[in-house]
Amino acid sequence: DAGVIQSPRHEVTEMGQEVTLRCKPISGHDYLFWYRQTMMRGLELLIYFNNNVPIDDSGMPEDRFSAKMPNASFSTLKIQPSEPRDSAVYFCASSFQRQGGSKAFFGQGTRLTVV
Amino acid sequence: QKEVEQDPGPLSVPEGAIVSLNCTYSNSAFQYFMWYRQYSRKGPELLMYTYSSGNKEDGRFTAQVDKSSKYISLFIRDSQPSDSATYLCAMTAAHGSGNTGKLIFGQGTTLQVKP
Repeated sequence: DAGVIQSPRHEVTEMGQEVTLRCKPISGHDYLFWYRQTMMRGLELLIYFNNNVPIDDSGMPEDRFSAKMPNASFSTLKIQPSEPRDSAVYFCASSFQRQGGSKAFFGQGTRLTVV
Repeated sequence: QKEVEQDPGPLSVPEGAIVSLNCTYSNSAFQYFMWYRQYSRKGPELLMYTYSSGNKEDGRFTAQVDKSSKYISLFIRDSQPSDSATYLCAMTAAHGSGNTGKLIFGQGTTLQVKP
């Protein structure tokens, strides 16, 4: 398997523009996570899905952030409008859980810069 | 108070030293404990995975979990310059408990092993 695939790897955008980050999880995994990583706050969980259904979005910072998972092989994280403080590395991860526990595998991340 | 606390370091040691990395947590529902390693500009990769209390050894790495103290550790023996990275602890609750699958990370500890 190719692992978790994220696109784009880098994104530079102007304040106020819409940004869409994409993720393809590992085939067969039933959980998908979106994280944001900054030096100050570390790795923060934004939202996670189970079987394409959002379970907990309490980490989404504002209404400007939204995430969707239309099917088991694709998810998006959208920021509209973007602001400079959204600059961070955004990671997508997926895992397969049956009896509990989680071995989550991460993508390479999208480095977002909002100027 | 964060659910998972981890000293961000940085931690600098000479090659060959034994390294001890630690996390504390507050949620007694956590049952699965993981350590991830993250190299610069890469996604986190799963290093160690343990269930409940006890020790687990894999080569130069040993993970310990003390649920009574809500304290987990990662030991690295004979540390190498290639071990220089950020180490993140992560944990999740048991299947069937609230927020099953929610994977929470510590801040991460930056380790540098000097030749």
